[in-house]
Amino acid sequence: AQSVTQLGSHVSVSEGALVLLRCNYSSSVPPYLFWYVQYPNQGLQLLLKYTSAATLVKGINGFEAEFKKSETSFHLTKPSAHMSDAAEYFCAVSGTGTASKLTFGTGTRLQVTL
Amino acid sequence: DAGVIQSPRHEVTEMGQEVTLRCKPISGHNSLFWYRQTMMRGLELLIYFNNNVPIDDSGMPEDRFSAKMPNASFSTLKIQPSEPRDSAVYFCASSLAGLAGGGMQYFGPGTRLTVL
Repeated sequence: AQSVTQLGSHVSVSEGALVLLRCNYSSSVPPYLFWYVQYPNQGLQLLLKYTSAATLVKGINGFEAEFKKSETSFHLTKPSAHMSDAAEYFCAVSGTGTASKLTFGTGTRLQVTL
Repeated sequence: DAGVIQSPRHEVTEMGQEVTLRCKPISGHNSLFWYRQTMMRGLELLIYFNNNVPIDDSGMPEDRFSAKMPNASFSTLKIQPSEPRDSAVYFCASSLAGLAGGGMQYFGPGTRLTVL
């Protein structure tokens, strides 16, 4: 079985500051890992995914995430936050040997202040 | 591609009424998922289909909920009778199953259901 834990339900950063959203996973098989973003009143949109190629994954809008097997982590970062990054972010995991069922974390709401 | 299409976008109904939510997945995708999102419970997987066959419905809250996928391009989620606690945003997502799809799911815009 797979699961993900997102540390911090709310994160607040200043515009221009580093964004760090934490995600730890648990999986009995090599995982596929994802970050999704949800803007207000919209569906979830894929930011980036890890599927066992490069451990550092670059996504849209300047976000990237690094897969660290030793730490079972897949933290999301962005060097400089923008006001438009304010949204809810979900980490998700699926097993490579299964159908594409995803297990989502509880989400982290990112607030960006001036 | 038009993406995943859901209808209606908003639904307001009274307790006891039947509600039907509709979803058209992305053409060529063979997996379809129904989720419910609330403030209290977050994002919950209700049911998912592979090749139009229900694979896992363990997330369906109770017998009042049912889902069908009569063909590869259409699915419905029905609530009968509806109750105020069913108020939520319901999302449909589709994907290409297996390694070819890379596990990515594509979400629709959601249906906001309010049961009075």
